[in-house]
Amino acid sequence: QKEVEQNSGPLSVPEGAIASLNCTYSDRGSQSFFWYRQYSGKSPELIMSIYSNGDKEDGRFTAQLNKASQYVSLLIRDSQPSDSATYLCAVRASGGSYIPTFGRGTSLIVHP
Amino acid sequence: GAGVSQSPRYKVAKRGQDVALRCDPISGHVSLFWYQQALGQGPEFLTYFQNEAQLDKSGLPSDRFFAERPEGSVSTLKIQRTQQEDSAVYLCASSEGPSTGSRYRQPQHFGDGTRLSIL
Repeated sequence: QKEVEQNSGPLSVPEGAIASLNCTYSDRGSQSFFWYRQYSGKSPELIMSIYSNGDKEDGRFTAQLNKASQYVSLLIRDSQPSDSATYLCAVRASGGSYIPTFGRGTSLIVHP
Repeated sequence: GAGVSQSPRYKVAKRGQDVALRCDPISGHVSLFWYQQALGQGPEFLTYFQNEAQLDKSGLPSDRFFAERPEGSVSTLKIQRTQQEDSAVYLCASSEGPSTGSRYRQPQHFGDGTRLSIL
């Protein structure tokens, strides 16, 4: 069974700090990785996607992928209270099911 | 429409009643997914449509759950004889579909969900 693991948190960081969110996955055939942000009572919205080993930066967000170690992480620089939300990791394998598997999400709290 | 639309936003039903949840995906999106999200958990896959074809229903928890997408656009998730354990948020997502070369890279676009409470 394909598994995607995330620490449920909450992860609490002060405003302006770097928040580091981690995700591990079990399926070595996984090819596409997505980070979604979900505010309470709202739908998940895409933050970042990454497909190749290494780092991918978009504004204050950096996604890091290490396929050999089977983990993907999301760094949020200069964290803001508005970043407080649950961050969901989703993993999709190629050559098989088109359906992504989601982790349970990590709750992030950025305090002023 | 601009995004994925789900209705109703909230549904309260008595145990044993049937409910129907509607999803209107982004126009032109071939793929449609239904998820169930319990409090504090990630979305759990229920079923997947490609156009009107239901290609995967392995996540449906029981035969009380039924989904359809008869014309390849709007989809309905029906739950018969509801039980208290059916209480959750039901999310619908769509994506462009597998006809493109980079299909595994396509993100999903989610609706705001239907919060179902069974009394």
